[in-house]
Amino acid sequence: NAGVMQNPRHLVRRRGQEARLRCSPMKGHSHVYWYRQLPEEGLKFMVYLQKENIIDESGMPKERFSAEFPKEGPSILRIQQVVRGDSAAYFCASSPVGQGTYEQYFGPGTRLTVT
Amino acid sequence: AQSVAQPEDQVNVAEGNPLTVKCTYSVSGNPYLFWYVQYPNRGLQFLLKYITGDNLVKGSYGFEAEFNKSQTSFHLKKPSALVSDSALYFCAVRDGNNAGNMLTFGGGTRLMVKP
Repeated sequence: NAGVMQNPRHLVRRRGQEARLRCSPMKGHSHVYWYRQLPEEGLKFMVYLQKENIIDESGMPKERFSAEFPKEGPSILRIQQVVRGDSAAYFCASSPVGQGTYEQYFGPGTRLTVT
Repeated sequence: AQSVAQPEDQVNVAEGNPLTVKCTYSVSGNPYLFWYVQYPNRGLQFLLKYITGDNLVKGSYGFEAEFNKSQTSFHLKKPSALVSDSALYFCAVRDGNNAGNMLTFGGGTRLMVKP
């Protein structure tokens, strides 16, 4: 059973460009979470999605950031007009159900560098 | 609001000695507690969780953690450390009474095991 897949693993963007990060959850998992990790810091929750629904986006910056999890295909985290402060590792996690006692399984992350 | 504190940025221990990585939490409802480990340039790997039941929880790679409700703590332990245990360890909590599923992470503790 393949784990959570994220691509690209590394992404370099110039200031003002757009960044698109992709996440394919584990097979059978329909709940996806995105987290951001700044260097030497813990993970900060950004958004929680089910297929075609955003359940909780309380951790998302109000501007430039958006996320989707379409009926078909991976979940996408999109950052428009990137700035240097967006440089971080972005992790996706998935779980089989949203409630209950399940742990979240994490992907390897996408390391975004804004130059 | 829920929070996690990992009071030590780094823990140093000699190989073969017992190790403890500390974690305290704050949550309004029932705490669901998790430990994850992160190796360099990798995603988080699940180690163990406490949901209910015995206060001593056993997990992967010989790790265990003790839930202490009165002290709101969930310290990670291992009887005999290995050099390969050197990594970044994260404690996380979520409110079991909350319909959402947001995990809140501590800032992480770097474990260094010296030969």
